[in-house]
Formats: sequence, structure tokens, C-alpha cells
Amino acid sequence: NAGVTQTPKFRILKIGQSMTLQCTQDMNHNYMYWYRQDPGMGLKLIYYSVGAGITDKGEVPNGYNVSRSTTEDFPLRLELAAPSQTSVYFCASTKSHVEGYTFGSGTRLTVV
Amino acid sequence: AQSVSQHNHHVILSEAASLELGCNYSYGGTVNLFWYVQYPGQHLQLLLKYFSGDPLVKGIKGFEAEFIKSKFSFNLRKPSVQWSDTAEYFCAVHAGNNRKLIWGLGTSLAVNP
Repeated sequence: NAGVTQTPKFRILKIGQSMTLQCTQDMNHNYMYWYRQDPGMGLKLIYYSVGAGITDKGEVPNGYNVSRSTTEDFPLRLELAAPSQTSVYFCASTKSHVEGYTFGSGTRLTVV
Repeated sequence: AQSVSQHNHHVILSEAASLELGCNYSYGGTVNLFWYVQYPGQHLQLLLKYFSGDPLVKGIKGFEAEFIKSKFSFNLRKPSVQWSDTAEYFCAVHAGNNRKLIWGLGTSLAVNP
């Protein structure tokens, strides 16, 4: 049981490049979330999904896109990377909101 | 709007000192409450949770939290901290039928040996 797996762990992008952050969970969780974490700013929700085929915006969706074609996968796409997207990105999932979230190990992204 | 407030942004303690981190939320209905811990360079891990029953909840590593409904609070406590407790602590609330958690900004705890 791997839990929530995020890849890559580290990435450096140039301004204007695009990339996809991968998130996979093997716990059959319906709810999945993408957060970014910046020092002293807590967690900011980017996008979330309540099941395959259903996604919704969080607090800071601009510059990002998501898809949820399967229960297991919830990739986050950055189309035109900007320095403001330098951050640590965490994916999380849960079966039920009384259980709490399981987090992936994070992706540290630097845009230069 | 629903919100979660963590009063202490930075806490510095010596080993064996007692710890209490404050967490208050704004929502008048049913809530599920969580404390998460993030050790340096790692991801968030669930420390403890409350969803019903005994308002005093015990978690991992000797942590506990008390839900006081009348005060809209869910404070985290530990009688005697260790250097290994150095981490960031986040309070989170699931309110009503929301499809996501509301997070506090976190409290950074440094424990000096």
C-alpha cells in the first residue's frame, strides 16, 4: 500500500516552460487535492476533485489546470511557468472527511 | 466566511517544557477537527483528529487535544516536549458539508535541547 505518490520530487523550470506534476493514490479515495505551500503562508488549495471526472477550483487556481480521468490519478498541469509558481506542491487524498487527509511527499518546484 | 486561527506563529521551548498551541475556528455547526505535523523537509502527517464523542483526543507521540465547543477551540497539548518535536503544526477544520478542509496558517515549534 503505497498511499499517495508524487513525482517528481524536485524540478527546475525556466520561465514559460510547462510541466505536469503527477499524483497517484492506491487507496480508492474519491477526494483528491492539490496544495501549494510557501514559507509562512500555510497551505493554499489550488484545485480539488470529489471523484473521477469532477474537478473544482480552490483558492489559487490561476496558472494551473487539472484533470481526473481515473480515481487513482490527479495530475496538476502548469502551462506557462512563472517565478511566482516557485513553491512546494503537495497532493492529498481522503475517503471521508472524518478520516483526515493522506499527503504525498511533495514536489519542490523552482521557476527561474 | 469559515476560518481557522492559530494564535502562535512561532514557539520556542526547552526540552521537557509543556506545550499548548491554540486553534480557534469560526463555524457554528458540526465540525471535524484535525491537527497535522510537518517535520522539517517532510510532508504533513495526521497527529490526531476529533469527529465525535470524548472531547479529549489522544494522538501519536504523546500529543492530545481538547475540543471545547463553547469556545470554538481545539488546542493541542503535550506535557513534556522533546527536541524531536521540532516541526510545524497545522490545525484544520472540516465544517458542515464542505468538500475540503479549512487550514490554519501553522505554528512553527522549535525545541532546544
